[in-house]
Amino acid sequence: DTGVSQDPRHKITKRGQNVTFRCDPISEHNRLYWYRQTLGQGPEFLTYFQNEAQLEKSRLLSDRFSAERPKGSFSTLEIQRTEQGDSAMYLCASSIKGLNTGELFFGEGSRLTVL
Amino acid sequence: AQKITQTQPGMFVQEKEAVTLDCTYDTSDQSYGLFWYKQPSSGEMIFLIYQGSYDEQNATEGRYSLNFQKARKSANLVISASQLGDSAMYFCAMRTSYDKVIFGPGTSLSVIP
Repeated sequence: DTGVSQDPRHKITKRGQNVTFRCDPISEHNRLYWYRQTLGQGPEFLTYFQNEAQLEKSRLLSDRFSAERPKGSFSTLEIQRTEQGDSAMYLCASSIKGLNTGELFFGEGSRLTVL
Repeated sequence: AQKITQTQPGMFVQEKEAVTLDCTYDTSDQSYGLFWYKQPSSGEMIFLIYQGSYDEQNATEGRYSLNFQKARKSANLVISASQLGDSAMYFCAMRTSYDKVIFGPGTSLSVIP
């Protein structure tokens, strides 16, 4: 197991199209997080899961954003009707509940460019 | 509301000197955790150090130490003996009692030779 993997690494799309990102966490990790990061800014919380249960979704997110983790393993983040303001790096991270520090292990991110 | 504040957008430090990066947080939780992550220009997020809200001693990891002042709700990162490779963005983060993790806006550190 080599860590958290995200796919695709880069996505260029036209405004109005739908995009989906996939995240495969470290296999024994029960927590999974999604963040959005723009250049020079900190990761902005989007949503997180414990196993298959979505615990919280950011109130800043419009209804165009949805995330799932159907079997408590991989997760998908879908953005419908993309807008230019959605251009950003989308980061996925996982952790184990109950581990001493609960540190997040991050994937390399999926970069979205909306034209 | 739970929030992380990092008031130093950019910092410079001379190589081999120590530097302190500031972080304050706002929470009403009794149990929480504080992290520092480093993000070099390559983009990867690197975990540096962790402090639990009930830990009585300040955390240390090699050249990194966390100056935890619970009453003041601050968790400053101290990097000793700065190296050129320390040049990066540094993010303070907080894990809430429900395990949600939020990040601050970051501080850009530049180490000058």
